[in-house]
Amino acid sequence: DAGVIQSPRHEVTEMGQEVTLRCKPISGHDYLFWYRQTMMRGLELLIYFNNNVPIDDSGMPEDRFSAKMPNASFSTLKIQPSEPRDSAVYFCASSKVQDYNEQFFGPGTRLTVL
Amino acid sequence: AQSVAQPEDQVNVAEGNPLTVKCTYSVSGNPYLFWYVQYPNRGLQFLLKYITGDNLVKGSYGFEAEFNKSQTSFHLKKPSALVSDSALYFCAVRGHSGGSYIPTFGRGTSLIVHP
Repeated sequence: DAGVIQSPRHEVTEMGQEVTLRCKPISGHDYLFWYRQTMMRGLELLIYFNNNVPIDDSGMPEDRFSAKMPNASFSTLKIQPSEPRDSAVYFCASSKVQDYNEQFFGPGTRLTVL
Repeated sequence: AQSVAQPEDQVNVAEGNPLTVKCTYSVSGNPYLFWYVQYPNRGLQFLLKYITGDNLVKGSYGFEAEFNKSQTSFHLKKPSALVSDSALYFCAVRGHSGGSYIPTFGRGTSLIVHP
C-alpha cells in the first residue's frame, strides 16, 4: 500500500484566497483525521470522520474551515478565505478500529499564507 | 476526558548513552498507549503500542516502553542512543469506549542526540 497520500506537499497563497488540501487514506481504513501542526500550538486535531461521516469537528478553528469526505478514498480540507495565521503543516491520518486506531499519517501539506 | 503529559519539551543525550522520554496519561478505564516519532519534514510514524499483557513493549528501531499502571506512565526508552534518533516524539492515549476511541496526543518531546 502507498500509505496516506496528501496533495499538494507545499502551498503558498495570498491572504483571502481559497485553499484546498487533499487526502487519500489507506484502503480499508474506517477513520480519517485532519490535524494542524504549528510550533506554538503543537499538534491539533481539527476534525475526524468515521465511515465518511464527520463525527467531531470541534477542533475546526473557525467557519472559514470546512472538511468533506465524499467517499472512502478521498477527503478535502478547505480554507476560505485564508489568513496568514493559517500558515502551518496540515496532516491527514487514517486508521481502523480493529487495529486500536493506530494512526497512519501522510507526509503533510506545508501551507504558507502571505 | 483523556489527556497526555510529556513534561519535557527537549531531552538531550550523548550518543551511546541510554535515553528516556517521559509520558504520563489520564484516561477512564484501561488505556491503549502509543508512541510515534516525527523526523524533520515528515509525518508521524508509529513506533510501538501497549494494548494489554506484558508491561514492557518493544518497538521499532530498538525502542521500548514500560507501562506502569500505578504511576500512569508509559516512558519511552532505548539502551543506547544514536544520532539518527534525533527527532520529535509523541505519546498518545485512548480509552476503550465511546469518544475515547480517538487517541489524544501529547505536545511532543524533542530528542537531541549529540555525537
